Amino acid sequence: DAGVTQSPTHLIKTRGQQVTLRCSPKSGHDTVSWYQQALGQGPQFIFQYYEEEERQRGNFPDRFSGHQFPNYSSELNVNALLLGDSALYLCASSLEQGAMSEAFFGQGTRLTVV
Amino acid sequence: QKEVEQDPGPLSVPEGAIVSLNCTYSNSAFQYFMWYRQYSRKGPELLMYTYSSGNKEDGRFTAQVDKSSKYISLFIRDSQPSDSATYLCAMRALSGNTGKLIFGQGTTLQVKP
Repeated sequence: DAGVTQSPTHLIKTRGQQVTLRCSPKSGHDTVSWYQQALGQGPQFIFQYYEEEERQRGNFPDRFSGHQFPNYSSELNVNALLLGDSALYLCASSLEQGAMSEAFFGQGTRLTVV
Repeated sequence: QKEVEQDPGPLSVPEGAIVSLNCTYSNSAFQYFMWYRQYSRKGPELLMYTYSSGNKEDGRFTAQVDKSSKYISLFIRDSQPSDSATYLCAMRALSGNTGKLIFGQGTTLQVKP
């Protein structure tokens, strides 16, 4: 059973550029959340997608946007990249139904903005 | 003040020691509490998941939740060098759907042979 897969694993972008990160959830999962983890910090919630709609959003600017496809996979887009956007971007998938639904994380995409 | 506070360490212990990792939180709405382990340059791996107050044991790992004190702990018995990693506490308020997870900063643990 493939877990949560993210692509690419590493990415280097120039300030001002745009980037798209991709996530395939664990088989059977229908909810995808994105997190940003700066070096030495815990992950910070960006947003969550369910049924192809953004359901919750953290304290991130509109430069951060996303999408969920009918097959539950998801993309995270960041426009007008800033040096401070350099971080590990994590995707987590879970199942909407179930009181004890657990969130499983992918390996992350390490984004470096230069 | 952060919603979840966690001592970043680093914490260094000899092999075989009992390790105690802790988090405090301020939001009384948190109901679900998790511990994740994160190796360098990897994604977090779920270790323990508890609901409300009480203890939960899984092998060498024991998670404790004290909602009255807004304090959670993870104990690792007979620690091994392979336990060297960053340990993240996480919590959330909503039931049913998963809601957003609020993480602590993470504690870096090194177990020396």
